[in-house]
Amino acid sequence: DGGITQSPKYLFRKEGQNVTLSCEQNLNHDAMYWYRQDPGQGLRLIYYSQIVNDFQKGDIAEGYSVSREKKESFPLTVTSAQKNPTAFYLCASSIILLPTGRGIGETQYFGPGTRLLVL
Amino acid sequence: DQQVKQNSPSLSVQEGRISILNCDYTNSMFDYFLWYKKYPAEGPTFLISISSIKDKNEDGRFTVFLNKSAKHLSLHIVPSQPGDSAVYFCAASALWAGNTPLVFGKGTRLSVIA
Repeated sequence: DGGITQSPKYLFRKEGQNVTLSCEQNLNHDAMYWYRQDPGQGLRLIYYSQIVNDFQKGDIAEGYSVSREKKESFPLTVTSAQKNPTAFYLCASSIILLPTGRGIGETQYFGPGTRLLVL
Repeated sequence: DQQVKQNSPSLSVQEGRISILNCDYTNSMFDYFLWYKKYPAEGPTFLISISSIKDKNEDGRFTVFLNKSAKHLSLHIVPSQPGDSAVYFCAASALWAGNTPLVFGKGTRLSVIA
């Protein structure tokens, strides 16, 4: 059945280490997104991608990197430059209908999330 | 600068009564609005949406009202059930005017008391 999967469910990072969070979707959605949730902060956009091999920074991209080599996959790397990485990370996807202008503001569907903790 | 505001961090309602969650926005270009429900340690689940060409959209126990002049929308849940206890996020986008990603509010925690 179709959906968005994220792995792992929990991830531990040591000081100075880069870690990569996986996000896969089989919904044939064009756009994919990464959000971070902190208590009382709601959902903050890290990066998004509308099409393969292209992505844009969101509101809090510093210390993160992404790639979009395949339509189905949008991995997020939390680099050592991210000084406060402990959070709940959510991946989402949405359809884009081009070229009418309806696009990345469409309804997004979320994965189950990955909780990242620093050792 | 918050473009989407949910001014009530929490709300408690008795089972069977109406729950009303509010959301205000500042960007007049927003033309598509959504509500998501989130349980702890899970991803948000899409609940209901409304386009700016409408002022009401209904789906079962859930109704969203949009007041464009006041830049305000609300989610009504009738009747409220204990399983509705969750955090509710309001989101908005400028689909036609700017093709921007969704902008989320900070959420309102709803507790439905049996």
